[in-house]
Amino acid sequence: AQSVSQHNHHVILSEAASLELGCNYSYGGTVNLFWYVQYPGQHLQLLLKYFSGDPLVKGIKGFEAEFIKSKFSFNLRKPSVQWSDTAEYFCAVNPFGNEKLTFGTGTRLTIIP
Amino acid sequence: NAGVTQTPKFQVLKTGQSMTLQCAQDMNHEYMSWYRQDPGMGLRLIHYSVGAGITDQGEVPNGYNVSRSTTEDFPLRLLSAAPSQTSVYFCASSPRQGTNEKLFFGSGTQLSVL
Repeated sequence: AQSVSQHNHHVILSEAASLELGCNYSYGGTVNLFWYVQYPGQHLQLLLKYFSGDPLVKGIKGFEAEFIKSKFSFNLRKPSVQWSDTAEYFCAVNPFGNEKLTFGTGTRLTIIP
Repeated sequence: NAGVTQTPKFQVLKTGQSMTLQCAQDMNHEYMSWYRQDPGMGLRLIHYSVGAGITDQGEVPNGYNVSRSTTEDFPLRLLSAAPSQTSVYFCASSPRQGTNEKLFFGSGTQLSVL
């Protein structure tokens, strides 16, 4: 069965700092990869997804992620964070053709104004 | 367009009580699922369904039952609530999982079992 690791449990940054959140998965075959975000008091929503093609994908609100197959990684990046990016971020993996989406444990991001 | 609707938003139960968490979607999605969210553990899949009449177990199915009699509804039943089931429950749907489809989430049900 697939699994997802997010090693950063809580990240605290100042506004305008650069962000990189790690995500590693364990599955040997083709996968679909996702980053979801949960803003305080809200439900989860999709930030970006990768399923094929260019390994650098761009999502909403200036976020991007790079799929590195050799490292089984799908790290999330943003060049300059804003206070409004304070949220919990979840990486998720879905083996191609599989019905189950597996989430990581999440990374809580706190942006200090 | 309502999307994914979950009821109730909050519920307190006593150990041993039963209840049903309701989930309905109006997007004609084939795939529906239930997750529980616990601090430090992320979201864990309880049960899922790829269409009316078809359900399957996820990662943590024990203590929960589901049914999918219609495309729109996917209720989650707790047969005999336990304190370990205190959690936030999310229902989610997608046109079809297993491809590159994103999940649409409901707003969640916060359940406390005393």
